[in-house]
Amino acid sequence: DAKTTQPPSMDCAEGRAANLPCNHSTISGNEYVYWYRQIHSQGPQYIIHGLKNNETNEMASLIITEDRKSSTLILPHATLRDTAVYYCIVRPSADTGRRALTFGSGTRLQVQP
Amino acid sequence: GAVVSQHPSWVICKSGTSVKIECRSLDFQATTMFWYRQFPKQSLMLMATSNEGSKATYEQGVEKDKFLINHASLTLSTLTVTSAHPEDSSFYICSPKLDRAYGYTFGSGTRLTVV
Repeated sequence: DAKTTQPPSMDCAEGRAANLPCNHSTISGNEYVYWYRQIHSQGPQYIIHGLKNNETNEMASLIITEDRKSSTLILPHATLRDTAVYYCIVRPSADTGRRALTFGSGTRLQVQP
Repeated sequence: GAVVSQHPSWVICKSGTSVKIECRSLDFQATTMFWYRQFPKQSLMLMATSNEGSKATYEQGVEKDKFLINHASLTLSTLTVTSAHPEDSSFYICSPKLDRAYGYTFGSGTRLTVV
């Protein structure tokens, strides 16, 4: 799996957009970008994934650069409940869940009131 | 879909005793379950993979005789920490293997404290 680099921590004001960057400069053509988050003392939660087009769902938006070497997860209106560690993971599209996910150190997002 | 229920959510045990953690898949059949552990302020690390009806596979450095995994049915996988020591204190999480590469689900985790 391609290596990802994320800032260790970020702060965001409640109600503002939280933009979490991820660098994956060695990503290959068949690899997707996945985002998960882990709220303290809970199991990880899937957020969103994408290949090259921007994606949006009810939780977040994913912006992938044209060269696919980096991406940004956007939480449009962060709430205190969004305080968590956010993990950016790159996996091949052909990997239909055969292997467990590999978690890096992630970004600890602290939403401030 | 793909809901997994993990119990207990926390447990405190004495050194030398054994603790069993259960993960049940509620609305699907899990032929394979991934088991992770997470030490304080660290990321999740895969410990082992349980397979229904066969032996589990363990990651390097994980003692198979200490962390006993049983996957006797398609809806239940268990992890037993035997002869627990304080260094086994950790957050243990299960996750079923799905037929897709996105939307992995996870148990709610078990926080084990060995005193």
